[in-house]
Amino acid sequence: DTAVSQTPKYLVTQMGNDKSIKCEQNLGHDTMYWYKQDSKKFLKIMFSYNNKELIINETVPNRFSPKSPDKAHLNLHINSLELGDSAVYFCASSHVWAGELFFGEGSRLTVL
Amino acid sequence: AQSVTQPDIHITVSEGASLELRCNYSYGATPYLFWYVQSPGQGLQLLLKYFSGDTLVQGIKGFEAEFKRSQSSFNLRKPSVHWSDAAEYFCAVGPQTGANNLFFGTGTRLTVIP
Repeated sequence: DTAVSQTPKYLVTQMGNDKSIKCEQNLGHDTMYWYKQDSKKFLKIMFSYNNKELIINETVPNRFSPKSPDKAHLNLHINSLELGDSAVYFCASSHVWAGELFFGEGSRLTVL
Repeated sequence: AQSVTQPDIHITVSEGASLELRCNYSYGATPYLFWYVQSPGQGLQLLLKYFSGDTLVQGIKGFEAEFKRSQSSFNLRKPSVHWSDAAEYFCAVGPQTGANNLFFGTGTRLTVIP
């Protein structure tokens, strides 16, 4: 059983398209996150949801819209994709603040 | 402003040799400190964490780290490296209270040679 699962694992798309990445966790955590890892492996938080409520929203273009239908799911929708959006996007979860994040395997997005 | 510095981008060690990966941080308050490992094509896995108490913490896979407040450092060590330790290692800091947000360093890639 995968604790934090993301789909799809790979996404290749053209500039201007819209795409979504889905994330589900079966750990019973109440907080979920999206992190972006760029080509230099730098990891930066994008969003955090606690009990379906947005609590962290870093400086991210509004083309990125997270949606949390319930505590176990956090999806990321990206509109009008740009070349600079190419990255690996990681979903993670934790208890409210227990210190440890549990990461999914990542979704590699390539924008052509 | 928060920051985490991992000065070594890439380290190569021989199997069986000892390892130390450096991490320095800048943080407004006493942070929680973490080391995560990322194997190729995988997500990040927690190796160990420091919240308070004993400044030498033990983690999984035989790793340990020492918190030195005076040096703002949290270096990761392993006495004898195995080939399976080859991976990317990330140091991270987070708040003790409040928004649950981790700041990551840029990572150190470890190569292990036979």
